[in-house]
Amino acid sequence: DVKVTQSSRYLVKRTGEKVFLECVQDMDHENMFWYRQDPGLGLRLIYFSYDVKMKEKGDIPEGYSVSREKKERFSLILESASTNQTSMYLCASSLWGMDGQGGYEQYFGPGTRLTVT
Amino acid sequence: RKEVEQDPGPFNVPEGATVAFNCTYSNSASQSFFWYRQDCRKEPKLLMSVYSSGNEDGRFTAQLNRASQYISLLIRDSKLSDSATYLCVVNEGNFNKFYFGSGTKLNVKP
Repeated sequence: DVKVTQSSRYLVKRTGEKVFLECVQDMDHENMFWYRQDPGLGLRLIYFSYDVKMKEKGDIPEGYSVSREKKERFSLILESASTNQTSMYLCASSLWGMDGQGGYEQYFGPGTRLTVT
Repeated sequence: RKEVEQDPGPFNVPEGATVAFNCTYSNSASQSFFWYRQDCRKEPKLLMSVYSSGNEDGRFTAQLNRASQYISLLIRDSKLSDSATYLCVVNEGNFNKFYFGSGTKLNVKP
């Protein structure tokens, strides 16, 4: 069974704090993703990584950065948390799909519900 | 226009009913298609991939219509435990570009 774990299920932080969200997968997947999910807006891609130290911006990267130092671990960093970053954060991983041939299914972690006050 | 569109529902059906969801996508070059299930306050979980020839898994049948650019999910003999939000996901051939529909909520009632 694919397992994707996230460091916290619930997190409460204050405005301006630096926040680290960690994600670990145990299936040797090349791709890892960070999404946020908000009511009425669905899942939106923040960043993704297709290899160690490689990263690509998603649709909403502003206010976030990422780090991938090891294949199994992908961290999301909120440099200076703001109230509009209160959300459910979901990490996912997948096998690397050949460009132009479609992607493989993603497997999600349990999510981190972040509240910024 | 959204890349992937779904009827948000909710679909309220009695146990034992057959229910169908459709999802349309805008990019004709899309390559991979999936249905995910998401329970309240939980992560999305893969229900099934959707293949060109259509595929079935127990009470669930998924179909792809490339000409009309939609995928469908049919649930037969609905169970109370099928109550969830069903997400349609489309990949456009670049491994990073997964597009999610906003989800269709299903309520199965006794």
